[in-house]
Amino acid sequence: GESVGLHLPTLSVQEGDNSIINCAYSNSASDYFIWYKQESGKGPQFIIDIRSNMDKRQGQRVTVLLNKTVKHLSLQIAATQPGDSAVYFCAENSYDYKLSFGAGTTVTVRA
Amino acid sequence: DAGVIQSPRHEVTEMGQEVTLRCKPISGHNSLFWYRQTMMRGLELLIYFNNNVPIDDSGMPEDRFSAKMPNASFSTLKIQPSEPRDSAVYFCASGGLLGGHRDTQYFGPGTRLTVL
Repeated sequence: GESVGLHLPTLSVQEGDNSIINCAYSNSASDYFIWYKQESGKGPQFIIDIRSNMDKRQGQRVTVLLNKTVKHLSLQIAATQPGDSAVYFCAENSYDYKLSFGAGTTVTVRA
Repeated sequence: DAGVIQSPRHEVTEMGQEVTLRCKPISGHNSLFWYRQTMMRGLELLIYFNNNVPIDDSGMPEDRFSAKMPNASFSTLKIQPSEPRDSAVYFCASGGLLGGHRDTQYFGPGTRLTVL
């Protein structure tokens, strides 16, 4: 079946380094993608989104890249900080309201 | 903006008891979603409301689960009777459809439910 999944379940990164979190999707009809950050004990927090008519979008310290050819999505975090430690989810949407969430990647920032 | 508000934040109850979870969406949003999160299944959509009307409840696991949205600023998710396997974190999210197009969903802090 079609699914959204993450390549790696965990990522350990040194404070100050850049982080790259990857996400693979299989639904070729998906045209809207969102990255969420979930800290312990909190709800998923919107980070950045991208629509399929774009291949790159930048926010504050974050960049999302979309490669529709290989159905791959990535989130880059510049100068990773301790506050970036969380679980990161990618979510895809092909129409209307339903989001399909990936399993999540746990990012741990080392001091 | 206070964001999506959920109550209670934690609920511990015994099997067979009724549980009611509450949600206040972001003002002006016309879509409301209830999700359940567990380690085994991740985030699951339970039900979706648009303009206070239930549009899709296909994710509601059993008849023991019910949800209402009596007005644009309030929704409830009820479990009656509750069972230990209902233990999870329940999230409410709201979003605004702009001219009929999709929009981002904003999540509340969740209610952690433990059924003993």
